[in-house]
Amino acid sequence: DAGVTQSPTHLIKTRGQHVTLRCSPISGHKSVSWYQQVLGQGPQFIFQYYEKEERGRGNFPDRFSARQFPNYSSELNVNALLLGDSALYLCASSLDGDRTDTQYFGPGTRLTVL
Amino acid sequence: AQSVTQPDIHITVSEGASLELRCNYSYGATPYLFWYVQSPGQGLQLLLKYFSGDTLVQGIKGFEAEFKRSQSSFNLRKPSVHWSDAAEYFCAVGRGFKTIFGAGTRLFVKA
Repeated sequence: DAGVTQSPTHLIKTRGQHVTLRCSPISGHKSVSWYQQVLGQGPQFIFQYYEKEERGRGNFPDRFSARQFPNYSSELNVNALLLGDSALYLCASSLDGDRTDTQYFGPGTRLTVL
Repeated sequence: AQSVTQPDIHITVSEGASLELRCNYSYGATPYLFWYVQSPGQGLQLLLKYFSGDTLVQGIKGFEAEFKRSQSSFNLRKPSVHWSDAAEYFCAVGRGFKTIFGAGTRLFVKA
């Protein structure tokens, strides 16, 4: 079975631009979470979606938004990019997003903002 | 506030030696605790998790962790390290619908 997939693998943008990152969960998983991992730090929670509804949000500005589609795939959008948005963005899927669920992480999208 | 502290930024051990990675947490209720491993260029892989019950938890790849409520700790151990264990290790606590990660400990393995 395919694991969590993310696209693109790498991305280079300039300040002020907009970016869309994509995630496909493991088949049968209905919950997707997004994390930002800045170099040298642990992942930080951005969003969790379950059945197309936002279930939780971390301490990120409104420039960050996400959505989940009927097939449970998800997009993370970041507007007005800042240099500090440069990071590895990780997507994780789980069966129903309960905190006892095991989260399966994708390989991430490396975003560089110049 | 809930938090996770990994006191060691990096650790170097010899191949075949034992390993212990430290993790301390701050959490108001019964914590859900995890250890993940991240190899270069890859996502995170769950090594083990603790929800309740036996405080000694067995995981994959020969790892185990012990939950000590009195010390607010959840240290990861392995009796004999292999070169392939070199990676970044993250301790995490589950809180509601999000997981809070520590800053990680980089493990170097020397021959």
